[in-house]
Amino acid sequence: DSGVTQTPKHLITATGQRVTLRCSPRSGDLSVYWYQQSLDQGLQFLIHYYNGEERAKGNILERFSAQQFPDLHSELNLSSLELGDSALYFCASSVGLGGSDQPQHFGDGTRLSIL
Amino acid sequence: AQSVTQPDIHITVSEGASLELRCNYSYGATPYLFWYVQSPGQGLQLLLKYFSGDTLVQGIKGFEAEFKRSQSSFNLRKPSVHWSDAAEYFCAVGADAGNNRKLIWGLGTSLAVNP
Repeated sequence: DSGVTQTPKHLITATGQRVTLRCSPRSGDLSVYWYQQSLDQGLQFLIHYYNGEERAKGNILERFSAQQFPDLHSELNLSSLELGDSALYFCASSVGLGGSDQPQHFGDGTRLSIL
Repeated sequence: AQSVTQPDIHITVSEGASLELRCNYSYGATPYLFWYVQSPGQGLQLLLKYFSGDTLVQGIKGFEAEFKRSQSSFNLRKPSVHWSDAAEYFCAVGADAGNNRKLIWGLGTSLAVNP
């Protein structure tokens, strides 16, 4: 058990809809990262928050947004969903600002299926 | 540009055989290197990490990895593979670019274990 909690585990919705994925980091971790994993593109870094502030952006679409709340949990919002958004979405956390020298601890992911 | 290459997309070994998964990186400074494992339906779990010092690093589940600066490699090894080692393995390098700190991921190597 990594200590990172993601909900829901599975999500099925239709094209054009909007969903929110939730992540609670490990106790004491200030950084939260979001990743998308699909068969054709592998593991793609989306965005990184540290203590409520956005720190880095990766390959995140404009239809996607995220935030980290004062209690350090984070939400990833996906809107105007397309079939290609079907993927596993992972949240990870680390102790400090994170990145180069800190391992990330991953949740079990949310599997999003777009019909 | 920083990058991580895992040359083998898929590897099959027999149970009890030795294993080596390759990872090559491109990074200008001293890298921080990680290996993660992803079992089916689960998130990524940290196997081991290299920051500095001894170039042979021991990890969990009997894995080890050796950092070779001259070859820009960080190959993962296990002397005797168990059926439960069947999973996806990811190599990552920690990169700093000013305030943008992040992990750069390889595309992964899928390991199958024959009984």
